[in-house]
Amino acid sequence: DADVTQTPRNRITKTGKRIMLECSQTKGHDRMYWYRQDPGLGLQLIYYSFDVKDINKGEISDGYSVSRQAQAKFSLSLESAIPNQTALYFCATTRTGEAGTQYFGPGTRLTVL
Amino acid sequence: AQSVTQLDSQVPVFEEAPVELRCNYSSSVSVYLFWYVQYPNQGLQLLLKYLSGSTLVKGINGFEAEFNKSQTSFHLRKPSVHISDTAEYFCAVSDSGGYQKVTFGTGTKLQVIP
Repeated sequence: DADVTQTPRNRITKTGKRIMLECSQTKGHDRMYWYRQDPGLGLQLIYYSFDVKDINKGEISDGYSVSRQAQAKFSLSLESAIPNQTALYFCATTRTGEAGTQYFGPGTRLTVL
Repeated sequence: AQSVTQLDSQVPVFEEAPVELRCNYSSSVSVYLFWYVQYPNQGLQLLLKYLSGSTLVKGINGFEAEFNKSQTSFHLRKPSVHISDTAEYFCAVSDSGGYQKVTFGTGTKLQVIP
């Protein structure tokens, strides 16, 4: 079984809809991240969490919110989706002290019409 | 602040030829350096990393990278590529302190031509 899982893997939605992307990990890591990948732009950090009570905004947090329900679960919400949020979204985890080595989920491809 | 530059967005290379993917970084503090690979329809996975010690780092699938502090570079190399190496490669930098913020480059697509 995969160590970092994301659901759904693909989602098509309409402008204005609320969407939640979920991430779960079985690696026992304390740090979790949400990234967005757009062609030619690499990965941009949306939110990150160092533990359940420590959540921080990344570079492009506007229009997104997160929830760390447990150490193993980190959800990303788009409160009112817009077309320019169409992208590939990745969850990643790491352990404090692992020198930034991150472990990625398989990604969620989100299309906003 | 830290940043990563991957100047080549695409690199075509014939099978069994050598390849070098370039990465330059900037940072005001000591850093750790990484290369990640993303195969089609998959997440990123770690290829290799430099934390300290020997500046030549060997990774999986025959890849290696050399840390050059004076040139602030961390180029990725493979002496002979295979079709299966076709993927996108991301260079990343992390500060070596407790925060360990990771910054990714924009990626280089390696296309291996049969």
